[in-house]
Amino acid sequence: AQSVTQPDIHITVSEGASLELRCNYSYGATPYLFWYVQSPGQGLQLLLKYFSGDTLVQGIKGFEAEFKRSQSSFNLRKPSVHWSDAAEYFCAVVPSGGSYIPTFGRGTSLIVHP
Amino acid sequence: EPEVTQTPSHQVTQMGQEVILRCVPISNHLYFYWYRQILGQKVEFLVSFYNNEISEKSEIFDDQFSVERPDGSNFTLKIRSTKLEDSAMYFCASKQLAGGPGEQYFGPGTRLTVT
Repeated sequence: AQSVTQPDIHITVSEGASLELRCNYSYGATPYLFWYVQSPGQGLQLLLKYFSGDTLVQGIKGFEAEFKRSQSSFNLRKPSVHWSDAAEYFCAVVPSGGSYIPTFGRGTSLIVHP
Repeated sequence: EPEVTQTPSHQVTQMGQEVILRCVPISNHLYFYWYRQILGQKVEFLVSFYNNEISEKSEIFDDQFSVERPDGSNFTLKIRSTKLEDSAMYFCASKQLAGGPGEQYFGPGTRLTVT
């Protein structure tokens, strides 16, 4: 069965600093990869997704992620963090065949200092 | 922009009681889901629903759980006899297309507290 690891439970950055949130997955083939953000009191919102093609994908709110097959990783990045980016971030993996049911990582909580 | 809505936002119930969590998916979506997130843990898949029947369910979705689409808009999750360990945030999601890994749109969640 596939698994998703987000090794950082909390990350604290200063506003304006760059950000990288890590996501590693374990799956036999290349899965479909997603990043979601959850602001307090809100549902999960899709930031970006990777299905195939260019391994660097652009998302909403200035986020991007890079798929690295050799490292089984799909890390989320943002060059300059804004205070409004403080939220919970979830990486999710969907198998490339079958049910398309996502497996989520446990999430990384982003804290932004002014 | 259309969105998935869920009611109530917070439900407190006593152990052994039945609860119904309600969701209104986006209107032209065909695939519906329930997930739960126990505090501090991962978001876990419970069940998917398509064409008025359960498409898939996880091991968590035992006989205590049921889902229904009673009309053209609502999608409900019922827990017949709640246990303390059912305390969690429950998310509803919907997807437009039946097949493929398309984007699921999530509701804001219902926090269920079982005392």
